[in-house]
Amino acid sequence: EPEVTQTPSHQVTQMGQEVILRCVPISNHLYFYWYRQILGQKVEFLVSFYNNEISEKSEIFDDQFSVERPDGSNFTLKIRSTKLEDSAMYFCASSEAGLAGNEQFFGPGTRLTVL
Amino acid sequence: GDSVTQMEGPVTLSEEAFLTINCTYTATGYPSLFWYVQYPGEGLQLLLKATKADDKGSNKGFEATYRKETTSFHLEKGSVQVSDSAVYFCALSSGNTGKLIFGQGTTLQVKP
Repeated sequence: EPEVTQTPSHQVTQMGQEVILRCVPISNHLYFYWYRQILGQKVEFLVSFYNNEISEKSEIFDDQFSVERPDGSNFTLKIRSTKLEDSAMYFCASSEAGLAGNEQFFGPGTRLTVL
Repeated sequence: GDSVTQMEGPVTLSEEAFLTINCTYTATGYPSLFWYVQYPGEGLQLLLKATKADDKGSNKGFEATYRKETTSFHLEKGSVQVSDSAVYFCALSSGNTGKLIFGQGTTLQVKP
């Protein structure tokens, strides 16, 4: 069964460093998403991506965040200068379409720890 | 803005007990509603969904009915198993990007 994969599973970085979180969505999916979950808090939407551009972003997704689909398979989230409060589990998801009723398929997550 | 509220956890039940996890939502328009489940060490998986009022989603013995009049989507199961132990997330989606808005999650622990 097709699945969304994410690498690495755990990333430890120093405050101020850049990190890139990688995702491989399901191959025939067209919509891609990033969410994050700070320990003990809700899963929060960060950004949606379609047709090589951002279709929606949350207030959390400020200038230090960027997303990219550098090739036909990967979808990346870059944090330019990490802060302590960026420590969280980051989930990538994909869906066939961006309609409200469509199922999103989630990856297992990348745990980011900023020291 | 749109939001989802779930009952606080953790919920601890004995095997074969009846489960209810409450979920209410606030939304403009007509959202779709979902329950996702997260097993230890795994990503979120769709458990069931409902896309319009009075729809009932069901899967693996779990059910939830989209109640517009009470803005609720409570999750129920008649007889839980140890293997149902997980974190359950209620979520809604509206608009044309499909973004999900989640509740805070409810941890369910089922004891043999």
